[in-house]
Formats: sequence, structure tokens, C-alpha cells
Amino acid sequence: DSGVTQTPKHLITATGQRVTLRCSPRSGDLSVYWYQQSLDQGLQFLIQYYNGEERAKGNILERFSAQQFPDLHSELNLSSLELGDSALYFCASSNRPSSYNEQFFGPGTRLTVL
Amino acid sequence: DAKTTQPPSMDCAEGRAANLPCNHSTISGNEYVYWYRQIHSQGPQYIIHGLKNNETNEMASLIITEDRKSSTLILPHATLRDTAVYYCIVRESKGYTGNQFYFGTGTSLTVIP
Repeated sequence: DSGVTQTPKHLITATGQRVTLRCSPRSGDLSVYWYQQSLDQGLQFLIQYYNGEERAKGNILERFSAQQFPDLHSELNLSSLELGDSALYFCASSNRPSSYNEQFFGPGTRLTVL
Repeated sequence: DAKTTQPPSMDCAEGRAANLPCNHSTISGNEYVYWYRQIHSQGPQYIIHGLKNNETNEMASLIITEDRKSSTLILPHATLRDTAVYYCIVRESKGYTGNQFYFGTGTSLTVIP
């Protein structure tokens, strides 16, 4: 158990819909990262937050957005969903923004878009 | 961040050492080598990281060549539970930004009974 929690575990929805994925980092970790893993793309970095502020962006679509709240939990919002958005979405946390140490990954949310 | 090259798959007999190679010939002086693994569809799990010196922890050993252009992850006594995809990642810390990991395709290790 990494200490990072993600909800829900599974999500099934239809094209065009909007969903919110939630992540609670390890206690004391200020930095949260979101990754997407699809069959054809592998693990792709989406976005990073540190103590409520966006710090880095990766391959995140404009239809996707994220935020980190004062209690440090983070939400990833996916809108106008397409079939290709079906993937595993992982959240990771670390204790420093420039940490040389490991990122701790949550169990993921499996999103299926029908 | 430097690119890495790993063999797509490897087999290892249970109880034997698993040696997973990684090439990172374009690595720069301030880039670290990290190893993660992913068991089935679980979240990736940190294994070990290093800069220049060889490193060892309770999970594995990391051997980095003197020129730092390649490294080897060693699982000393592989068990069936070590069957996973192993990712070698080279990453520079860029202060408050750019600390994300870029995962390649990794090596799928199968431990055989």
C-alpha cells in the first residue's frame, strides 16, 4: 500500500460525458502528479501540482483539467469524453517538488468510455 | 531528459538473479537513473535510483557503469511475484517544475517456476 488513494476504482461512462477522478496523496506529500496509461500509449505524464499550484504540464488535452485543493487532494476532470480516453489514470505523490526521491503511485482509476 | 533503451522482454528462473539492462547513452551529469516496476495493471512501484555509485536496498541492486551510459538492475533472488514490467527512467530534477517521469516501454520480466 503506497498510501496514495484514488477513487473511484472503475468508471464506465458514455462518449460526450464528463467525469471527475479523485486522488488523495500520502500524508505530508505536497506534490501530486497525474498519469494516463492506455494500451497504445503506455504511461504518459499529464500534469503536476505542488501545494495547490500547477507546476508542470505534459501531454494533457485541453478537454482535461486538474486542480489541487487546500487539503492537498487533487481532482482530474475529463470532459467531452471520447472512446480514446479509455485508460488507466494514475495519481502519484512525492514530498518535495524537486525531489530526487521516489514518487508513490496510487492504484489507479480504470475509465471505460462506451 | 535522456532516452533509455531496454529489451522488451526477459525470462528468469525462480530463485536465480534477474539482471535487467538499460542503455542511456545520452545521459547528462546531473541526471539520475530510476527504476520502477508495474505488476499487471497496478500503480508503478519505486525500486531504486542512483547517480554514479552502485546502490543497494532491500529490493534490488543498481549497477551503473563508470561512464554512466548504461546500468543494470539486479533482483538477487527472483520470485514469481517479481513478474512485472520494469521501467528504467533517466530524469533531471528541474527545481519546482519538470519533475515528472517519462516512462518508456520497459522490460517485461517473467519469472519461471
